[in-house]
This record gives sequence, C-alpha cells and structure tokens, in this order.
Amino acid sequence: GAGVSQSPRYKVAKRGQDVALRCDPISGHVSLFWYQQALGQGPEFLTYFQNEAQLDKSGLPSDRFFAERPEGSVSTLKIQRTQQEDSAVYLCASRASGRGGQETQYFGPGTRLLVL
Amino acid sequence: AQSVTQLGSHVSVSEGALVLLRCNYSSSVPPYLFWYVQYPNQGLQLLLKYTSAATLVKGINGFEAEFKKSETSFHLTKPSAHMSDAAEYFCAVSAPTGFQKLVFGTGTRLLVSP
Repeated sequence: GAGVSQSPRYKVAKRGQDVALRCDPISGHVSLFWYQQALGQGPEFLTYFQNEAQLDKSGLPSDRFFAERPEGSVSTLKIQRTQQEDSAVYLCASRASGRGGQETQYFGPGTRLLVL
Repeated sequence: AQSVTQLGSHVSVSEGALVLLRCNYSSSVPPYLFWYVQYPNQGLQLLLKYTSAATLVKGINGFEAEFKKSETSFHLTKPSAHMSDAAEYFCAVSAPTGFQKLVFGTGTRLLVSP
C-alpha cells in the first residue's frame, strides 16, 4: 500500500496479558518511530529505528515494553503483562531517510489498546 | 531539549470565520516546527512545516503559519473555516539534527459551527 499500516486497529486485553502491535512502514523507508498517545494528549515518543537498528529507546515507559524491526521493514511493539495505564493509541510513523533533514514523518492510523 | 505549548484545548469558530490556533515553542537550538491534523480514528496528517527557509509557511487546505523567533511562536491560521476543518490539531517541534523525533503539544480541538 501507499501509506503506513498498523494492525490490529483495536485491541482489548485483560490486565496481565501480553500484546503485540504491528507496523508496516512505507516501502523503502529507513526510519521508523513509535509514539504513544494517551486520551486527550499529544503523541509521545517511544522508540526509533534506523533500518534494523534501534537507536533510541529512551521513551519506553518500562521494561515491559519491547520493540523490534529485525529485517529493517516491519516493526512490532510488544507489551508484556499489560497494565491499565498502558491503555492508549500507539502510533507508528516512517520517514524516507535516516537523518531527516526536511523530510516528513508519515503516520499510520494507530492501534487503540484498551486494558481491562 | 524541545517543547511546545498549545494555548487553548478547544477553539470554536463559525463557518467562514478566521481560524487561529496558537503554538509557542521552546528549543535550545534553531527548531523545525510542524502542524499536524488528526481526524477521528485516523493517524496524523502533516499540514505544514517550517525548516528554516521562509518564515511564512503555506500548507494544505488553505492553512498557513508564521515562524516568529522573537515571540517563539508558530501560530496556525486559515482565513475562512470550513465544516471539514473540524478536527484535532497538534503542533510539534524537532531538533534540526540527529534523528529528529517529534515532540508534540497537547493538541487543540477545532469546532466549526454552521
């Protein structure tokens, strides 16, 4: 497809369950970002990949959060032992190059996670 | 470090009226600045961006913004609101170097009445 896609679009999890959220970036894009958007808030940075290398994971809120991009294309954000405070929309964005300069980050539609 | 402040969580205008959404930034280096729009259950769409060229930036759907360094502002305007402009608007800042993660404000919901 032409844009960034994410799946599932909606996920309901029981507290303590593990979840995996998938991001398919625009084909050929080097950079991939994950952001977390809590209800009524702006997106907040979680982690950044350049190809398969995770260059920054400073925004991951705890060691229950793990992200990977093993082949430099599709990325998965995994949350272990989900908690209610993990409920949010998780947005993925991709950008054509590694050092952005003036390039645009293109966002996917997000995965809305609800932890009960 | 960079941050942005969006004044007003909600702005209401009548169709045809001027739209003004405010954004002030803080940055230790000359910033790149962005406005994104988010429609319900959709991702973010870039409206416009300032990347150190012209200070008056024109974007899609008739929106424009002016970078004012002296006021550390990057307010978004549109001369005449349409019903279809009703959405959430986010201002964001990034450093001009490095991998340039975006730092977002808390958003402003634009309501347009007939």
